[in-house]
Amino acid sequence: GESVGLHLPTLSVQEGDNSIINCAYSNSASDYFIWYKQESGKGPQFIIDIRSNMDKRQGQRVTVLLNKTVKHLSLQIAATQPGDSAVYFCAEEGGSYIPTFGRGTSLIVHP
Amino acid sequence: GAGVSQSPSNKVTEKGKDVELRCDPISGHTALYWYRQRLGQGLEFLIYFQGNSAPDKSGLPSDRFSAERTGESVSTLTIQRTQQEDSAVYLCASSLSPGQLNYGYTFGSGTRLTVV
Repeated sequence: GESVGLHLPTLSVQEGDNSIINCAYSNSASDYFIWYKQESGKGPQFIIDIRSNMDKRQGQRVTVLLNKTVKHLSLQIAATQPGDSAVYFCAEEGGSYIPTFGRGTSLIVHP
Repeated sequence: GAGVSQSPSNKVTEKGKDVELRCDPISGHTALYWYRQRLGQGLEFLIYFQGNSAPDKSGLPSDRFSAERTGESVSTLTIQRTQQEDSAVYLCASSLSPGQLNYGYTFGSGTRLTVV
């Protein structure tokens, strides 16, 4: 889900668990999707992207799943580590070349 | 340079003063974006430059905000007569020409603006 202000959706996991962060997008014309990680005091850092002609893409320890039917994107992080603690944003872009960002999910990894 | 560089990293200003924020994009990146991020919130689009085309200013919140870019290099975001509501982190991003496969966007570390 999404929220505003200081109350970001939060996912708490134990170190070693798998994490799944979800994102609903709004524009059915969007054809490019990106996940970013933002650590405290830093700018967003690119994690992985996917185009609309794919439904799954894998990186190192991360997988992005795209379900265009329900306009849903997810980021799966395998064997979550304390260094993965951050705010994660999804972004969508389609035609305008201006990415639109979701409000973010805070991931907290407990050692 | 190796990444997107923004300066200053922190700026404290008095209400009513003007401020200028700078962004040096990655060399060769034709597209440049400015976003605003308020505490605990997502990224709010402000303005987009693409090469020598007219910028997309649709996200600028008021006429106190303006931005310029010289060719495909440095951009400056100017906020006139700052208000406390302008306090936020201002992020700049650049990318290769849109339409290239998996072009992505690279962000700078941002300028944290505090209006007192």
